[in-house]
Amino acid sequence: QVQLVESGGGVVQPGTSLRLSCGASGFTFSDYGMHWVRQAPGKGLEWLAIIFYDGNSKYYAESVKGRFTISRDNSKDTLYLQINSLRAEDTAIYFCAREKRGELLGLDYWGQGTLVTVSS
Amino acid sequence: EIVLTQSPGTLSLSPGERVTLSCRASESVSNSYIAWFQQKPGQAPMLLIYGASTRATGVPPRFSGGGYGTDFTLTISRLEPADSAVYYCQYFGGLPPFAFGPGTKVEIK
Repeated sequence: QVQLVESGGGVVQPGTSLRLSCGASGFTFSDYGMHWVRQAPGKGLEWLAIIFYDGNSKYYAESVKGRFTISRDNSKDTLYLQINSLRAEDTAIYFCAREKRGELLGLDYWGQGTLVTVSS
Repeated sequence: EIVLTQSPGTLSLSPGERVTLSCRASESVSNSYIAWFQQKPGQAPMLLIYGASTRATGVPPRFSGGGYGTDFTLTISRLEPADSAVYYCQYFGGLPPFAFGPGTKVEIK
């Protein structure tokens, strides 16, 4: 069955960096674009970034452009999110989600998320 | 950049009632680019509707989506206690960035 499992979250200090991972299984990873979405405590969903199926195109929300980097390794069925210069407002659950390439079927599977807490 | 607004912010309804949630885009978008999600506390969002009106796999027919241009809706025809959740619309698939609306919280009395 389709599974997306995020990891790499934790309690980190402001100004440091973190790399989140999203391991995929149960489907052909290279057939899907992948998204990162976050949710601050008690708040709504915030779309962060997308990487196309082949890794050649990436787009970011304006709020994270320059500090966040999305990447993928199709040989390892893994998606990544590098977050630099962490701030208190980056405290959130970070979800990865998949989107079938070229078919506009929506973000149909999501991981359960990994919690990032930025605190000194 | 597309911005989505949702109304109302919160609803409190009884089981069996019909409810329509609204999602408005800051400019006209193709129906293909609108999705709806349900999120329950402590869970990841779940895709309900894509292409503005197509139900995702396994979604009951009492959930329906509609609209065009800048105004889109999600209707739940007969509310059940399990429908208590926050519902988000999303613009996706067109020109990034892909935004979510702020959500509508549906409470079942």
